[in-house]
Amino acid sequence: EAQVTQNPRYLITVTGKKLTVTCSQNMNHEYMSWYRQDPGLGLRQIYYSMNVEVTDKGDVPEGYKVSRKEKRNFPLILESPSPNQTSLYFCASSLGGANGYTFGSGTRLTVV
Amino acid sequence: EDQVTQSPEALRLQEGESSSLNCSYTVSGLRGLFWYRQDPGKGPEFLFTLYSAGEEKEKERLKATLTKKESFLHITAPKPEDSATYLCAIPAGGYQKVTFGTGTKLQVIP
Repeated sequence: EAQVTQNPRYLITVTGKKLTVTCSQNMNHEYMSWYRQDPGLGLRQIYYSMNVEVTDKGDVPEGYKVSRKEKRNFPLILESPSPNQTSLYFCASSLGGANGYTFGSGTRLTVV
Repeated sequence: EDQVTQSPEALRLQEGESSSLNCSYTVSGLRGLFWYRQDPGKGPEFLFTLYSAGEEKEKERLKATLTKKESFLHITAPKPEDSATYLCAIPAGGYQKVTFGTGTKLQVIP
């Protein structure tokens, strides 16, 4: 089944403790992206990647890092999480052009 | 700055009562407009891409249209299973940098 897989689905952590949210796609898509979704603010793009080793900032990149060492994987790293990073996170992938993204099921992160 | 505004924020319809959702946008050079559907607790699901003014796309009870300043998602004779949040989005600077609207939450009552 073609899909984007994120892990974990739920995560509660403490301020300052580094964490990684993994994302993997099995569709051989060139493009991948991370979003966060907050009530009243909608989906905001954190980072995106056009290919292996090619990444760029979205609208809200502060406090996040990404890497794209393999085509299928695009992990999101929070080096020092803070409570304002409590959110619902989505990873997505796309063939490119105007094909639209396929989204994962989301990771609900709580930072206390 | 590219912007996407959706209205209304929420819409409650009786089953079979047709209506339209609005997505207005400002962008320097439209490269397309996306519509997505999002069910509670799930990731958005891609519905349509519209490329140019005058274009229409259809899927079951949904029809999306595009003008130079806005897009409409028409829902004809909706059913309860159409209840979801509908999101529109525009690519900015390239197809992969995408700006989303905040969505219209649709509830269809049997």
